[in-house]
Amino acid sequence: QSVLTQPPSVSAAPGQKVTISCSGGSFNIGNNYVSWYQQFPGTAPKLLIYANNRRPSGIPDRFSGSKSGTSATLGITGLQTGDEADYYCGAWDSSLTAMLFGGGTNLTVL
Amino acid sequence: QVQLQESGPGLVKPSQTLALTCSVSDDSISNSDYYWSWVRQRPGKGLEWVGNIYYRGRANYNPSLKSRISISLDTSKNQLSLDLGSVTAADTALYYCARALRFCNGGPPCLSHDYWGQGTLVTVSS
Repeated sequence: QSVLTQPPSVSAAPGQKVTISCSGGSFNIGNNYVSWYQQFPGTAPKLLIYANNRRPSGIPDRFSGSKSGTSATLGITGLQTGDEADYYCGAWDSSLTAMLFGGGTNLTVL
Repeated sequence: QVQLQESGPGLVKPSQTLALTCSVSDDSISNSDYYWSWVRQRPGKGLEWVGNIYYRGRANYNPSLKSRISISLDTSKNQLSLDLGSVTAADTALYYCARALRFCNGGPPCLSHDYWGQGTLVTVSS
């Protein structure tokens, strides 16, 4: 069971916006940075968001991240069928001295 | 473009030691800005952080694996290694190595994994 909690699945129509939540605690999300990853079946994860809300080079601005207290949110606007993938949040836990990943959220674009 | 490539046996017998190597290209594992991580993914499951190591040799491990695991660096070969002992079927997974930025903006730990290997599948079976 993951310490970072994500909904197992979310869905939305093409062109719409979706948000994926990630809930943690004070030792991880509350005091450290959150990153988000996208994973397609059979491929390695890809970094989408780092430091809560920063996008690596090449990641479109349709993807955004935010953090409030011990929760973080990934937002995706202008949904495309090509966005169908699993999404994971991650954060360092200063108490465990360990990296935590959320359980993952499967996005379906209807 | 940083590249990571995992290698190791695809099949390991129960109770034996799983040993994997990750070769890094176009960056040095002595780069003080980064941790080097192992992440695994059991079939059909989510990402599970295994552990990481910093160039000065300090390693951090998943608490659930801590008694069985060792991660090390070979700076002469620019490689990191994973040894996981006393394996069981529950250790069957796709194992990734990845580079993780230690700090962002000089603030708290960042651990954003920006480059990943393609992964290597390890099956534990007799």
